[in-house]
Amino acid sequence: DGGITQSPKYLFRKEGQNVTLSCEQNLNHDAMYWYRQDPGQGLRLIYYSQIVNDFQKGDIAEGYSVSREKKESFPLTVTSAQKNPTAFYLCAGGPGFRSGANVLTFGAGSRLTVL
Amino acid sequence: GQQLNQSPQSMFIQEGEDVSMNCTSSSIFNTWLWYKQDPGEGPVLLIALYKAGELTSNGRLTAQFGITRKDSFLNISASIPSDVGIYFCAGQLYSGGSNYKLTFGKGTLLTVNP
Repeated sequence: DGGITQSPKYLFRKEGQNVTLSCEQNLNHDAMYWYRQDPGQGLRLIYYSQIVNDFQKGDIAEGYSVSREKKESFPLTVTSAQKNPTAFYLCAGGPGFRSGANVLTFGAGSRLTVL
Repeated sequence: GQQLNQSPQSMFIQEGEDVSMNCTSSSIFNTWLWYKQDPGEGPVLLIALYKAGELTSNGRLTAQFGITRKDSFLNISASIPSDVGIYFCAGQLYSGGSNYKLTFGKGTLLTVNP
């Protein structure tokens, strides 16, 4: 089935450790996005990428890093510099700037808990 | 930046009741989207609106793109228990070029009592 696949679904990490969340897509979307979701705060954009080997900071990029070496993959690393990393992370893909209307398709999410 | 106000924040209704929620923006959009998120899952697109005044239905769901281009509403008729979840509105203003980011509302949490 076509879609956005995130892994792992649940992840536990000790303070001070980096962790990488995987996001893969087979929709041939140019653009990919990472959002963070906290209760009552909606979706906040962390990073996005319009094209391979290029990415831009979103509204809350501090403490996070990404790479876009392949069109299908957009992993997110939550570094030890992120002060409050416990959250639900959502990856999404969309047609991006090539399309007038950028309708996003989301993955099922990854829940990160810092112990 | 663009601000989206979504209301209400939460709703508790009885099965069979109709539901209405809306989003208002401080600036105009070209596209309004409505998503539903089930607990522990990612949001799923319900309805996409592309033109001011457009009224679109998807089963028991109806959404409208406001004439001013600064608001949109979503109605759910005859609610059922599986309607439970968080409903998000999202807007986009594009004029060609690189403006392709969506602005999301904070969501409406819907609880349906059987």
